[in-house]
Amino acid sequence: NAGVTQTPKFQVLKTGQSMTLQCAQDMNHNSMYWYRQDPGMGLRLIYYSASEGTTDKGEVPNGYNVSRLNKREFSLRLESAAPSQTSVYFCASRENSAGLYEQYFGPGTRLTVT
Amino acid sequence: AQSVAQPEDQVNVAEGNPLTVKCTYSVSGNPYLFWYVQYPNRGLQFLLKYITGDNLVKGSYGFEAEFNKSQTSFHLKKPSALVSDSALYFCAVRDMTTGGFKTIFGAGTRLFVKA
Repeated sequence: NAGVTQTPKFQVLKTGQSMTLQCAQDMNHNSMYWYRQDPGMGLRLIYYSASEGTTDKGEVPNGYNVSRLNKREFSLRLESAAPSQTSVYFCASRENSAGLYEQYFGPGTRLTVT
Repeated sequence: AQSVAQPEDQVNVAEGNPLTVKCTYSVSGNPYLFWYVQYPNRGLQFLLKYITGDNLVKGSYGFEAEFNKSQTSFHLKKPSALVSDSALYFCAVRDMTTGGFKTIFGAGTRLFVKA
């Protein structure tokens, strides 16, 4: 039982390049999330998927797109990377049953855009 | 608007002493509250939660949290701190304004435990 996995762990991009961050969970959770964490800014929600087949914008969606590929996988795409997207990206998942609202996080992807 | 606040950026405590990390919240209705811990270069880990019931909630690694409705607080506590408790701690509340699918995180409090 691996929990939430993310690939890659590290990535360096040049401005304007594109990439996709992959996330998968093996806990059969319904909801999945993408956050970014920047020094002094805490954790900010980029996009989330309440259930398979749905996606919604979070607090900072500009410059990103997501795909909920199936119940297990939720990917985050940067179409044209900008230095402002240098950050650590975390994927998380959660069950939606009553009382089970805690989120489980992946290990993160450290992205640098030069 | 629903929110959660962690008034201290940093808390310093000596090993063996009790520790408290403070959290206050503002929500409409009954709150669902959480604490998470983040060790260096790792993702957040769930520590404990308050949904309903006893105001004192016990969690992982000997941590507990006290829910106080009148003070709208949910402070994290541990009777005897360890150096290994040094980490970044986040308080969070379930955001009920969007169907309850989102979580609002505090800015985090860095805990330093000195040997």
